[in-house]
Amino acid sequence: GQQLNQSPQSMFIQEGEDVSMNCTSSSIFNTWLWYKQDPGEGPVLLIALYKAGELTSNGRLTAQFGITRKDSFLNISASIPSDVGIYFCAGDTGGGNKLTFGTGTQLKVEL
Amino acid sequence: DAGVIQSPRHEVTEMGQEVTLRCKPISGHDYLFWYRQTMMRGLELLIYFNNNVPIDDSGMPEDRFSAKMPNASFSTLKIQPSEPRDSAVYFCASSPLGTDNQPQHFGDGTRLSIL
Repeated sequence: GQQLNQSPQSMFIQEGEDVSMNCTSSSIFNTWLWYKQDPGEGPVLLIALYKAGELTSNGRLTAQFGITRKDSFLNISASIPSDVGIYFCAGDTGGGNKLTFGTGTQLKVEL
Repeated sequence: DAGVIQSPRHEVTEMGQEVTLRCKPISGHDYLFWYRQTMMRGLELLIYFNNNVPIDDSGMPEDRFSAKMPNASFSTLKIQPSEPRDSAVYFCASSPLGTDNQPQHFGDGTRLSIL
């Protein structure tokens, strides 16, 4: 079946640093989504990407839908302590809202 | 605005018991999804509904699992009989009808522990 691999698996960065993480797939997706999950809560949508090559920003977050439609990246600029959490990418082939989730990137921020 | 509401937030029960998880989707959303999250397998889609009708239940692990959506504002996921390997966090999500790929909004989950 489809698999989404995220890297890095975890990262420990200094407050104020920029962060980059990516997601790759063996299959083509029509939509890429990025979610953040805090402990004890459900994933919260950060950014949605609908077109190959699309670059979208949401505050300090920027995400891109890869041209090949098999990858996506998420950048966080000037990280702050509340950025701590697990970031998931998710892809949809367009067959009816069925999402495949990535393995997650755990972000830890050092003050 | 009220988000997706799940209950209970935590459930601890002994193996063999019936477990019922509940979900109230966001009002006006036509799609409802049930996911399971574990360390080993991550987030897995179990089943989803469109307009209260089950569309794809291929992710339901076995016959012990069943889900219903009797109306647009309520869904249940039932496990009978429960087993220790069912321990996980179960999430419900909903999304609106419209063009394909409307983003899903998640509840805060039910943490299930089967002893």
